Parts: sequence; structure tokens; C-alpha cells
Amino acid sequence: QQPVQSPQAVILREGEDAVINCSSSKALYSVHWYRQKHGEAPVFLMILLKGGEQKGHEKISASFNEKKQQSSLYLTASQLSYSGTYFCGTELGKLTFGTGTRLTIIP
Amino acid sequence: GAVVSQHPSWVICKSGTSVKIECRSLDFQATTMFWYRQFPKQSLMLMATSNEGSKATYEQGVEKDKFLINHASLTLSTLTVTSAHPEDSSFYICSALRDRRETQYFGPGTRLLVL
Repeated sequence: QQPVQSPQAVILREGEDAVINCSSSKALYSVHWYRQKHGEAPVFLMILLKGGEQKGHEKISASFNEKKQQSSLYLTASQLSYSGTYFCGTELGKLTFGTGTRLTIIP
Repeated sequence: GAVVSQHPSWVICKSGTSVKIECRSLDFQATTMFWYRQFPKQSLMLMATSNEGSKATYEQGVEKDKFLINHASLTLSTLTVTSAHPEDSSFYICSALRDRRETQYFGPGTRLLVL
């Protein structure tokens, strides 16, 4: 079953923060995060492994709660280039993509 | 890096014709390749998993006789949409797996329009 992401869509002003959530009904081994621009293939952001630490860099990071089967992506001080649709992907032998969150950053 | 290419980027064809899409891992050998389909404003849906030298594993609801997958080598997989119809129009994306501990690397996608 497809992981559910929330919110479905969000509009932010440049410099604001965002949190995107991903929730699975099944146990997770890993969570992958991707960003897709319109008409392009997804671009890998990061992978979080079971038992691993929160990953990311200064402005884009993510956490993974294995017990709750959830992951969250944190975007800090968003930039115009962050606009796109964000997908989480959960791996149970194969990658199953979440429902997606469309993020629009406006000046 | 890990680069995956797809060819063609765009294809427009008449209903009833077959279309072949190539997926290549350019700088690594892929143990496994995946084929996805994405309709407008929807998520990526896995169609099939392909391992070199063996038959592809198709997801439920995907017709294997319609979407033929050939994984000829560790760097090349092809998807052939046979007797394409307008409802097959979609964005087809392949990905390649270099190592099971890593994520998948995606190709740029092929947009198919069947008239």
C-alpha cells in the first residue's frame, strides 16, 4: 500500500520553513526522499535507514521514526529552487512511492 | 556519480504501434533496474523489476504481454509498449540500482503520447 504524505500541497514565502510527513501502514526498513520538478525525473535527496541517525545538511534534513513507521522532511529557510513535488519512498524489497506533496515557494 | 540515461526523451506514435524505450546505466553496472509510470499529478507507480538475464517481475495489474521488458546486460534494460493505445500515454521512468544499500538512480524519463 502506498505511503501517505501530508500535506498534499503547501505554498510558502521564500525563507519560511516547511515540514513534510510520510506515513506507512507497513514496517519500514528505510525511507528515501526525492524532489521532482515538473516534467523531470525525481532527484534523490537522502535515504534514512532503520536504526540510523537523522540525516541531512543545513537546510534540508529528515527524521525516521521506525516505531511509528513515519518519516518527516524538514526544509529550513526555503529557497525558490525548493519548489517541486516531494515524494517519500519506502523500501520493502522494492521502492514504493508516497502520494506526494507539492511545494510552491513564492518570492 | 551514478548516471542513468533514457532514450528517447519524447515519443509520439499512432495507436496500434509499438514503442521501445531504452534505459542505460552509463558509469556503473546495475544489479537491478526498475520501470515506473507516472500519470499527470500522480505519484510514480512501479511497473516491473528487472534483473539481468532473468525474467522481469511485474506488479499487480501490469500486463506483461503489453509491456515487454528485456534486460540484456548489466547496463541496459528496454521497455517495449506493444500495440500502444492513447491510455498508455504517460511519463515512463526507469531507475537502476548499483548496490542494495544505496538508493535507486533515476533516468530523465520518456514522455509517450499515443494518438
